[in-house]
Amino acid sequence: GEDVEQSLFLSVREGDSSVINCTYTDSSSTYLYWYKQEPGAGLQLLTYIFSNMDMKQDQRLTVLLNKKDKHLSLRIADTQTGDSAIYFCAVLADSGNTPLVFGKGTRLSVIA
Amino acid sequence: DTAVSQTPKYLVTQMGNDKSIKCEQNLGHDTMYWYKQDSKKFLKIMFSYNNKELIINETVPNRFSPKSPDKAHLNLHINSLELGDSAVYFCASSQGVPAYEQYFGPGTRLTVT
Repeated sequence: GEDVEQSLFLSVREGDSSVINCTYTDSSSTYLYWYKQEPGAGLQLLTYIFSNMDMKQDQRLTVLLNKKDKHLSLRIADTQTGDSAIYFCAVLADSGNTPLVFGKGTRLSVIA
Repeated sequence: DTAVSQTPKYLVTQMGNDKSIKCEQNLGHDTMYWYKQDSKKFLKIMFSYNNKELIINETVPNRFSPKSPDKAHLNLHINSLELGDSAVYFCASSQGVPAYEQYFGPGTRLTVT
């Protein structure tokens, strides 16, 4: 089955850029997502990208997809303390009833 | 105004008890899910219902029984609770299959003592 890997921790200074990386194993993964979870809260869908795209930009967020290497990244520009959270990568194969498969999440700590 | 809501938010109970968690969505979606997030934050699908029909049932003990009375509701009943059931349970919803955008509820933190 699909396996999604992320590094567990990332620490950056306020104002710097953050880059959170994710790798996946199933080349049929068609939709790739980034979710944010703040402490004690549910998951918030940040952005997603289709596998026929290389890049997607949405304000401070940039998603890059390297389909050949099965590598997805999320860049947060001008990182703020409010960006401190756990970021989950998730992938979905376009084959009907397959579920979203999540990585274990990357805990982003922003230092003021 | 809440899109996906769950009750209760916290649930503390003893081993062997039976408990239910309720989920409701007002987004008009036709697919609903239950996920379990363990103490290490690992998130895994448990069940999925599309138009009240079970479409995904991952390897979950049969002590867990989902029920979908209508498209807007998906409840989770757990019998004979065990210590290992302690986790945060998230409900989610989406429109269509495959689910391009899933929206999550705030979670129910279940603690079994």
